[in-house]
Amino acid sequence: NAGVTQTPKFQVLKTGQSMTLQCAQDMNHEYMSWYRQDPGMGLRLIHYSVGAGITDQGEVPNGYNVSRSTTEDFPLRLLSAAPSQTSVYFCASSYSGPDQPQHFGDGTRLSIL
Amino acid sequence: GNSVTQMEGPVTLSEEAFLTINCTYTATGYPSLFWYVQYPGEGLQLLLKATKADDKGSNKGFEATYRKETTSFHLEKGSVQVSDSAVYFCALIGISSGSARQLTFGSGTQLTVLP
Repeated sequence: NAGVTQTPKFQVLKTGQSMTLQCAQDMNHEYMSWYRQDPGMGLRLIHYSVGAGITDQGEVPNGYNVSRSTTEDFPLRLLSAAPSQTSVYFCASSYSGPDQPQHFGDGTRLSIL
Repeated sequence: GNSVTQMEGPVTLSEEAFLTINCTYTATGYPSLFWYVQYPGEGLQLLLKATKADDKGSNKGFEATYRKETTSFHLEKGSVQVSDSAVYFCALIGISSGSARQLTFGSGTQLTVLP
């Protein structure tokens, strides 16, 4: 009963490095999304996908790329890490859209030095 | 655009106390409203929702009523337990299309319940 799995749980990067945060769900959900959580700011939507091959930008997409080649996976790529991207990142999925109960992963804590 | 304002925390209560966490919103039309809860070290979980004015969402002893006239969705519980200690997020989905029809979260309210 895995639900939404995010890897890694923790990561430290140097400015300018790139990396991919992985997200996988085993519930056959069409809708997936990425959020960042910063102190005092709640969660802000980075990118989302309504199905395989379809992605769109959220509120704070700059510096991040996504792709959705399969229903199960929705990786988030940091192209050139910056200290402002230090945050906790959450992946979420739901059956068909954001108005359905979102299933969240446990998060990835990312620090950019 | 859409926005959600929550009361600032942290909130500290004794077990069996009454809880209110205030939430007000700004949105066009009639958004759907949600409360999510985040336990330590975990992702968010949906606690309750309401989709139209005067609807009351309820779950695990928590309640919230969609008040269109005051644009509010305050979370209440009559008797909190230590296990309710968590961060609570109010959220909405607007009626617009595209990225505007996505979850907009408040900043979260940390609740600590002492035995």
